[in-house]
Amino acid sequence: GQNIDQPTEMTATEGAIVQINCTYQTSGFNGLFWYQQHAGEAPTFLSYNVLDGLEEKGRFSSFLSRSKGYSYLLLKELQMKDSASYLCAVRPIGQNFVFGPGTRLSVLP
Amino acid sequence: EAQVTQNPRYLITVTGKKLTVTCSQNMNHEYMSWYRQDPGLGLRQIYYSMNVEVTDKGDVPEGYKVSRKEKRNFPLILESPSPNQTSLYFCASIPGPADTGELFFGEGSRLTVL
Repeated sequence: GQNIDQPTEMTATEGAIVQINCTYQTSGFNGLFWYQQHAGEAPTFLSYNVLDGLEEKGRFSSFLSRSKGYSYLLLKELQMKDSASYLCAVRPIGQNFVFGPGTRLSVLP
Repeated sequence: EAQVTQNPRYLITVTGKKLTVTCSQNMNHEYMSWYRQDPGLGLRQIYYSMNVEVTDKGDVPEGYKVSRKEKRNFPLILESPSPNQTSLYFCASIPGPADTGELFFGEGSRLTVL
């Protein structure tokens, strides 16, 4: 089966850096995704990792270690608009997406 | 514009009154899926479809039905809604089941069953 863990809530200050961790156990692996979701809205795609290492995209970076079943999303130069939930999702081989419970990030002034 | 469209966006109904939430995508995607999202539980898959006339149960299919008569449409049917089906529902699609790209989500449908 699949299991994904993320912290439930995090708080950070505007302008700071925050790291949101995700651990997973899955049979087979076809990629790890991060989505951002503002309250009441649809998730929007942030990043995709299939190989180990760091993927950087502007203020957001995502890291993956397949051997450890671990990923993190790094948000730099935090802005108030970054207050949202961040969803970690894995795509086991030949199967559907499995989502973690999400981490609610609050950015304070 | 490439999009996934759901209707209705908001609905309040009563127990037992059949309802359908429509989902349509204009990207010619083969794979479509329905999720429900509840506080603390994240997104849970209800049903998915690999292609026309091919549907399968996800993790929480009880109380729901789907159909896939055409590629672009994947309606979610609640034959006899109950209060525990009060939730935020999302339809999503990707080009094909083997595609490694991200899910495209609809805007969501917030359903309240009284």
